[in-house]
Amino acid sequence: AQSVAQPEDQVNVAEGNPLTVKCTYSVSGNPYLFWYVQYPNRGLQFLLKYITGDNLVKGSYGFEAEFNKSQTSFHLKKPSALVSDSALYFCAVRDSGTSYGKLTFGQGTILTVHP
Amino acid sequence: DGGITQSPKYLFRKEGQNVTLSCEQNLNHDAMYWYRQDPGQGLRLIYYSQIVNDFQKGDIAEGYSVSREKKESFPLTVTSAQKNPTAFYLCASSMGPAGREQYFGPGTRLTVT
Repeated sequence: AQSVAQPEDQVNVAEGNPLTVKCTYSVSGNPYLFWYVQYPNRGLQFLLKYITGDNLVKGSYGFEAEFNKSQTSFHLKKPSALVSDSALYFCAVRDSGTSYGKLTFGQGTILTVHP
Repeated sequence: DGGITQSPKYLFRKEGQNVTLSCEQNLNHDAMYWYRQDPGQGLRLIYYSQIVNDFQKGDIAEGYSVSREKKESFPLTVTSAQKNPTAFYLCASSMGPAGREQYFGPGTRLTVT
């Protein structure tokens, strides 16, 4: 079985400060990891993914994430937050050995960036 | 929201009625998915389809049905057997297997009273 945990329901940060949204995962094989962002009443937008290779992955809008196999984590980061980054963020995982395309999502973290 | 369209954006139905949600993609993707989103619960997989004329149940398929007669289309029917159908429904698609990301439509908010 595969699972994802986002331990913080909400993250608050001041504009210009660095932000981190946490994600831990559990899979039996090797993980494929994804981050998505959702604005109110919209679909999810893909930010970045880790499949293999470099542990630091860079994605859209200045976001990056660090894969840590020993800690089974894939935290989303941004060096300088913008008010427009305020949204709902989802981490998702797929075991590389599972059937086609089945992603398991975390429950989401609401990020609020204050001016 | 890419090349995936969902219609309508808002849908209202009376309890006991079946309702069909539309999902169309022009990305030439093989796989398509339906998710349900409820507050605080993330996304839960209802059905997915890897190829035309084939689909599999996800984690919460009871009370739902799908068809995949065309590569571009993957409609979801919410039947009267679904005990709590009010939710935000998201359709997604992806190209190929392995580590390909899924692309999402804008969603349909279904309210059943």
